Amino acid sequence: SQQGEEDPQALSIQEGENATMNCSYKTSINNLQWYRQNSGRGLVHLILIRSNEREKHSGRLRVTLDTSKKSSSLLITASRAADTASYFCATDYSSFNYGGSQGNLIFGKGTKLSVKP
Amino acid sequence: DGGITQSPKYLFRKEGQNVTLSCEQNLNHDAMYWYRQDPGQGLRLIYYSQIVNDFQKGDIAEGYSVSREKKESFPLTVTSAQKNPTAFYLCATKLGQGGGTEAFFGQGTRLTVV
Repeated sequence: SQQGEEDPQALSIQEGENATMNCSYKTSINNLQWYRQNSGRGLVHLILIRSNEREKHSGRLRVTLDTSKKSSSLLITASRAADTASYFCATDYSSFNYGGSQGNLIFGKGTKLSVKP
Repeated sequence: DGGITQSPKYLFRKEGQNVTLSCEQNLNHDAMYWYRQDPGQGLRLIYYSQIVNDFQKGDIAEGYSVSREKKESFPLTVTSAQKNPTAFYLCATKLGQGGGTEAFFGQGTRLTVV
């Protein structure tokens, strides 16, 4: 399976600190997306960055994309206890080589973030 | 969630039983997906459907079946052929199958074999 891989698998920080999560993937993509999952719940879309973009911001979130290294990072600034969740990257492939269809999202295993008050 | 309803939230299955998980959406999205999530793992694609009366196998379709008779509904049946069905199942939708759009997820169904 051509999953993205997040790094680290788990991250524990104090409130107010920044949290950085990384994602690596394997082939050409249309876009890369980040999702958040609270324990036992569905995923919620956070941000989408297209293959021709290098950086994108949304509130306290900053996403970067380096297509030459096939990697992305998600930075959460000034973290809060409420940011505690698992974060997943999902790649949207640009070709029909994977899974038979463009548009299917391929998810990594996630980074489990714990923000301590 | 946001317009995607999965039911039930918890489901218990006996060995050898088929069970059906419901996914209903009111977002008028064409594409619908079923994912399986195991502890500490990412999401793996079971089946997807781009349009009514059409669906395709994902990575791990063996032991599962789906139907797409209505745009709003994409039920997943876990058959007795699925040897390790205990997992968290997530239904998702996208506006269209084409790339560049976000996915919306239901709240999931946790299936346990007893």
